[in-house]
Amino acid sequence: TQLLEQSPQFLSIQEGENLTVYCNSSSVFSSLQWYRQEPGEGPVLLVTVVTGGEVKKLKRLTFQFGDARKDSSLHITAAQPGDTGLYLCAGVGNTDKLIFGTGTRLQVFP
Amino acid sequence: ETGVTQSPTHLIKTRGQQVTLRCSSQSGHNTVSWYQQALGQGPQFIFQYYREEENGRGNFPPRFSGLQFPNYSSELNVNALELDDSALYLCASSLRRHNEQFFGPGTRLTVL
Repeated sequence: TQLLEQSPQFLSIQEGENLTVYCNSSSVFSSLQWYRQEPGEGPVLLVTVVTGGEVKKLKRLTFQFGDARKDSSLHITAAQPGDTGLYLCAGVGNTDKLIFGTGTRLQVFP
Repeated sequence: ETGVTQSPTHLIKTRGQQVTLRCSSQSGHNTVSWYQQALGQGPQFIFQYYREEENGRGNFPPRFSGLQFPNYSSELNVNALELDDSALYLCASSLRRHNEQFFGPGTRLTVL
């Protein structure tokens, strides 16, 4: 069974701080996606990474796919209260299903 | 362009009952996936429909079933509800399997 473990599970920080969320697995994924979910809403896709070692930037968010395509990270620079939400990584596994990670709940205080 | 919509928003059922959840996919999308999200966890894949046929299934018992209609809308049916079925049920549509998925707001099911 392919699993994606995210860490930390919870993160509570002050506005302006930097943070990194990790998404790890012992399995290889053909691609990996990052989503953000706010209360009462469905997840919204932030980015898809496909190539091992790939780095993508979305304003203050930097996403990296591990060289072996088993792990990924999301780094947020100068976090803002609007970044608050549940961050989910999701990978396409060997059974061709989208497997979601355990999630990281981020709270940014003003 | 209309996004993914789900109905109802909230639902309360009792153990043993049956429930049907509905999803309208985003215009032009031919693939619909259903997920179950327990409180504080990531979504778990239930199944996917592509052009009206089931195209992959997660580790859910047969009492979870679905349909996709010619207009690509979809239903999720759950029979013999159990307390552990209480969760947020998410529908997502896409152009192709595992391409960018657009999620609806979900249906919150509570089983008493």
